[in-house]
Amino acid sequence: SAVISQKPSRDICQRGTSLTIQCQVDSQVTMMFWYRQQPGQSLTLIATANQGSEATYESGFVIDKFPISRPNLTFSTLTVSNMSPEDSSIYLCSVDGLNTEAFFGQGTRLTVV
Amino acid sequence: AQSVTQPDIHITVSEGASLELRCNYSYGATPYLFWYVQSPGQGLQLLLKYFSGDTLVQGIKGFEAEFKRSQSSFNLRKPSVHWSDAAEYFCAVFSGGYNKLIFGAGTRLAVHP
Repeated sequence: SAVISQKPSRDICQRGTSLTIQCQVDSQVTMMFWYRQQPGQSLTLIATANQGSEATYESGFVIDKFPISRPNLTFSTLTVSNMSPEDSSIYLCSVDGLNTEAFFGQGTRLTVV
Repeated sequence: AQSVTQPDIHITVSEGASLELRCNYSYGATPYLFWYVQSPGQGLQLLLKYFSGDTLVQGIKGFEAEFKRSQSSFNLRKPSVHWSDAAEYFCAVFSGGYNKLIFGAGTRLAVHP
């Protein structure tokens, strides 16, 4: 299994600002995933981040709003840009295990006011 | 298209009672199926998974799930619920075609003393 650390664990931000969320894994992984969990909802995949290439975004998510960096095999960041109250969610980082199971960080609870 | 349905949004059980959480999936090939638990303020933890073989799989915390291909179901069970089991439970299927996990909407479990 992988141990994933996310920072910050929570934040309250002003609308129009940006927040960068960090995800650190204790082992090298090929693919890292970013999810959004809106209040009372399930998880929605935002994008898949491979080291050395551009992130692949799911339908409804764009790079200008959610830029992702993946500088090495143990680290990734997700930025939520020009935030609005609708961006208030839990953002989760995830990596694959050996058999396609996913391991998750504890999440970042974002509130936009 | 692949999908996961969890028919029950909320379930309340008494401590010590048995539990069954329902999950139905839609997937063309043999599915890789998972159950995750999310405690308040936490990320997701893998409870158990099914890839092949024995259709009754054992997981952590005393949970088990049974894969029934004829019913396209993967229901989660526990014979005796503890107060600490109160959490949100997510069923998921791995989509090989899209190389990602598809989550159900989740079932929130409340446990009465």
